[in-house]
Amino acid sequence: ETGVTQTPRHLVMGMTNKKSLKCEQHLGHNAMYWYKQSAKKPLELMFVYSLEERVENNSVPSRFSPECPNSSHLFLHLHTLQPEDSALYLCASSQVGWVSTEAFFGQGTRLTVV
Amino acid sequence: AQKVTQAQTEISVVEKEDVTLDCVYETRDTTYYLFWYKQPPSGELVFLIRRNSFDEQNEISGRYSWNFQKSTSSFNFTITASQVVDSAVYFCALNQGTYKYIFGTGTRLKVLA
Repeated sequence: ETGVTQTPRHLVMGMTNKKSLKCEQHLGHNAMYWYKQSAKKPLELMFVYSLEERVENNSVPSRFSPECPNSSHLFLHLHTLQPEDSALYLCASSQVGWVSTEAFFGQGTRLTVV
Repeated sequence: AQKVTQAQTEISVVEKEDVTLDCVYETRDTTYYLFWYKQPPSGELVFLIRRNSFDEQNEISGRYSWNFQKSTSSFNFTITASQVVDSAVYFCALNQGTYKYIFGTGTRLKVLA
């Protein structure tokens, strides 16, 4: 596999459920990201992990909980979500160092909270 | 403050027309990087180009071309002879050498057959 892979592609969950989104990158990058993209809204950066340390947490509600067990994997644990959390969740990775590289994105998970 | 502005929310063109997507950025840094991404209906953001602040050469790749002008803080993207497959949302982004990517709000391009 190449690039950034996200699973599942689609997810429907009730407000009382607990689920997890998974992201895996095969690019050897040292930074991974979670973005939220809601309809008619700009991309919102949720979390950034650099060298497996969380370096950015943009006032995201605690019902979203990220986990980065190693440099290739990133999870987003979801619990007691609200209908307004329905969105496309995108994972990305990049190499952060002397030169900025482009971020590569997965295909996203379309989440619907009912 | 860093900012990326894509003033065009949506553009519709007829197939084979040329179309230019505008991107204006703000930054105080002298070293920075600019990007364009394409987001088709499938959802994935597809990387198109990266340009660093020291390289103002324009770039052409097939039907795609990019015009980087530091004097006007713009990094515009032109699609020549547009095709229906070019229909997507296009994002411009700014990065200053860290993990922070500043994205514009995107321009939705509709190419009509």
